[in-house]
Amino acid sequence: QPVLTQPPSVSGAPGQRVTISCTGGGSNIGAGHDVHWYQQLPGTAPKLLIYTNNNRPSGVPDRFSGSKSDTSASLAITGLQAEDEADYYCQSYESSVSGWVFGGGTKVTVL
Amino acid sequence: QVQLVQSGTEVKKPGASVKVSCKASGYTFPIYGISWVRQAPGHGLEWMGWVSAYNGNTNYVQKFKGRVTMTTDKSTSTAYMELRSLTADDTAVYYCARDSGWGAYWGQGSLVIVSS
Repeated sequence: QPVLTQPPSVSGAPGQRVTISCTGGGSNIGAGHDVHWYQQLPGTAPKLLIYTNNNRPSGVPDRFSGSKSDTSASLAITGLQAEDEADYYCQSYESSVSGWVFGGGTKVTVL
Repeated sequence: QVQLVQSGTEVKKPGASVKVSCKASGYTFPIYGISWVRQAPGHGLEWMGWVSAYNGNTNYVQKFKGRVTMTTDKSTSTAYMELRSLTADDTAVYYCARDSGWGAYWGQGSLVIVSS
């Protein structure tokens, strides 16, 4: 079972806004550790989308944004596009293992 | 530009070992550690552990301890992950990622198939 909890799937029509939640606990997100988000297209490696809660690497559209509060975080995609159809994973640091933990992933479908 | 290039597909029999390589370029190798992450078919991402490219220190997830060894070679800017006593459950794509607390750069993945 993944340490961080994400909804298995979300969907939206082109142009709409969707959000993906990521819920952790007191030894990861709730301990103040940052949350990072990845996009994974089929058959490819994960690509960093958001780092340290709300920062976008160069080249990532500003349609993607992140936030964090208490023991959870969220990824928002505004102006949903067909190319956004992918799996999305959140990641944080887990004190008990001194390493990374991931969410189970959320499949975004563009209707 | 930063690149991590991994070794190719491996097919192994149960009980065998596999060693995956990850060659880094475009940055000063010893500055960042390397994390290894695997993804079984149809499943999510699983962090396996981390190796320092500076001094070789390691941190392995408990479930892999005793079965995994992560190393680096500064002379070739290459990280390695060896997994022993393979079972069918180890069939997965194995990724290396440059570790800044997050994975800004990832290798393309190495498919390991364990089958008799």
